Amino acid sequence: NAGVTQTPKFQVLKTGQSMTLQCAQDMNHNSMYWYRQDPGMGLRLIYYSASEGTTDKGEVPNGYNVSRLNKREFSLRLESAAPSQTSVYFCASNRRDPPHYFGPGTRLTVL
Amino acid sequence: GDSVTQMEGPVTLSEEAFLTINCTYTATGYPSLFWYVQYPGEGLQLLLKATKADDKGSNKGFEATYRKETTSFHLEKGSVQVSDSAVYFCALSEGVQGAQKLVFGQGTRLTINP
Repeated sequence: NAGVTQTPKFQVLKTGQSMTLQCAQDMNHNSMYWYRQDPGMGLRLIYYSASEGTTDKGEVPNGYNVSRLNKREFSLRLESAAPSQTSVYFCASNRRDPPHYFGPGTRLTVL
Repeated sequence: GDSVTQMEGPVTLSEEAFLTINCTYTATGYPSLFWYVQYPGEGLQLLLKATKADDKGSNKGFEATYRKETTSFHLEKGSVQVSDSAVYFCALSEGVQGAQKLVFGQGTRLTINP
């Protein structure tokens, strides 16, 4: 099992550009999550999906959209990137409730 | 909302020293509590968990006890190794069953010197 995979690993964008971060899990988990990690702030929840076909906002959803494409995949889209979105993004999943299983992360820099 | 507070880092210790990383929480209900570890350049890995008061989670020599009376979940290890150098996150679960999320503390960077 690959667990939770994320692509890309690194990305540099210019302000105003758009991109989609991809996440997939092969553990047949129902719930999937997107977090961002910033120095000194721990991880903050952006969006989550408790089951296929549902998505909900987390603590810091502004500037992001998500799609739960199917049970395996949960993507995060930045429509118009801003320097404040420079961060490390982690996808996570679990069967129903925590603990989460995390992906390796995507390091995003917005210039 | 619910919140988690961890001791400020960074923490630097010598090998074989005793480790304590403090974690306290504020919650309206009875959350499950977790410690995660993040090694350089990697994602977070579950280290241990406790689901109810007085439960003790343990793994790889680390321990933490769910203390409802002090709303704490301090991480301890009797003798640390260089390989324990990492960032440690305390977290609690929040929300209704079937749609729970994690709320994280800010993380504590631990460095162990040989």
